[in-house]
Amino acid sequence: ESVLTQSPGTLSASPGDRATLSCRASQSVSNTYLAWYQQKPGQAPRLLIYGASHRASGIPDRFSGSGSGTEFTLTISRLEPEDFAVYYCQQYVSSVFTFGPGTKVDIK
Amino acid sequence: QVHLQESGPGLVKPSETLSLTCTVSGSSISNDNHYWGWIRQPPGKDLEWIGSFYYGGSTDYNPSLKSRVSISVDTSKNHFSLRLSSVTAEDTAVYFCASDRSISWFYYWGQGYLVTVSS
Repeated sequence: ESVLTQSPGTLSASPGDRATLSCRASQSVSNTYLAWYQQKPGQAPRLLIYGASHRASGIPDRFSGSGSGTEFTLTISRLEPEDFAVYYCQQYVSSVFTFGPGTKVDIK
Repeated sequence: QVHLQESGPGLVKPSETLSLTCTVSGSSISNDNHYWGWIRQPPGKDLEWIGSFYYGGSTDYNPSLKSRVSISVDTSKNHFSLRLSSVTAEDTAVYFCASDRSISWFYYWGQGYLVTVSS
């Protein structure tokens, strides 16, 4: 079973800062099968990035994804007030979905 | 635009079976090329995938839940259902239904439905 870990657990930042979130897989993941979500309290997750680097419909271009193999990154170029939330990576491997434990981005 | 809405009992007794329904609008489960799934999130905890299916194809389940889970479809009502047997307090969670045209991520999500397991 492939496990996802995310770092940092919490990222304290200010509006306007650049945020870099990491997702590491215990086994190599095809880029096709790596996604990122944003979740705010009381809401369903929102798909941000699919296929490791493709922005989902309606997602601002300040969000970008990169990486391959076992190391993936979500970058928010300039944090807006609405970006403070929890971010999850997700993989699809051998017909099984796995989510990472999340990175909480909070206001410093 | 696909819209998903979860419904069902919000309180289930330990050892009983949890049953939820996801009603779909804006898309046809049987005619559109979508994958459909269930994900849950215990209060304050991480997301956990429960299972997914493609109409006319296979259904996949989380190996850790496989012995207790089943997903079924009612095309006449355009909804799909989740059954989780022998529940314990650890099954208390917000349950989401979700879908996408891709097999490997979910773009459309229901709002989520809290199910509490308690006597």
